[in-house]
Amino acid sequence: QKEVEQNSGPLSVPEGAIASLNCTYSDRGSQSFFWYRQYSGKSPELIMFIYSNGDKEDGRFTAQLNKASQYVSLLIRDSQPSDSATYLCAVPNQAGTALIFGKGTTLSVSS
Amino acid sequence: ETGVTQTPRHLVMGMTNKKSLKCEQHLGHNAMYWYKQSAKKPLELMFVYSLEERVENNSVPSRFSPECPNSSHLFLHLHTLQPEDSALYLCASSQDLRDRGQFFGPGTRLTVL
Repeated sequence: QKEVEQNSGPLSVPEGAIASLNCTYSDRGSQSFFWYRQYSGKSPELIMFIYSNGDKEDGRFTAQLNKASQYVSLLIRDSQPSDSATYLCAVPNQAGTALIFGKGTTLSVSS
Repeated sequence: ETGVTQTPRHLVMGMTNKKSLKCEQHLGHNAMYWYKQSAKKPLELMFVYSLEERVENNSVPSRFSPECPNSSHLFLHLHTLQPEDSALYLCASSQDLRDRGQFFGPGTRLTVL
């Protein structure tokens, strides 16, 4: 059974700083990785996905993969209070039919 | 309506009740999912449907019964639930099974008394 581990936090950063969120995965064969953001009381929203062939940047968000150490990071540059949320990491399940999610890391950006 | 909608948004039911959760996606997707989200626990996959066929039943108790009459609608029928079934039930859809960009509905907050 694949597993995804995340530090539950909270991770607290000041406004304008870089927030770094990490996720470790158990299956060395995982090929794709997903980051979802979930605001309190809301449903998860896909913000980024990467495949094993490299990192990805989208605006203030960068997803980085370290295959040797089996972790994937989400960097948020110029953090804003509106980035305060829980960030969920996910990988496809063994059957490739759905996603396995971590428990999520709660990020708090203070103004 | 756009995206993925779910009704009702909140539901309180007794252990002997029968109720149904409804999900509708307006995205033209072919795959639909039910997840359960409990406090302090990761999202748990319950069921997966692709083109109205169930492709995964993730060891879910029989008191939860899914139904997918067409590719746009997904139901979760509930009967004789337990208090520990209280959670947020999330529906999601994706273009197909291999497309991992799942879009989630707002969820149904279920409380079992």
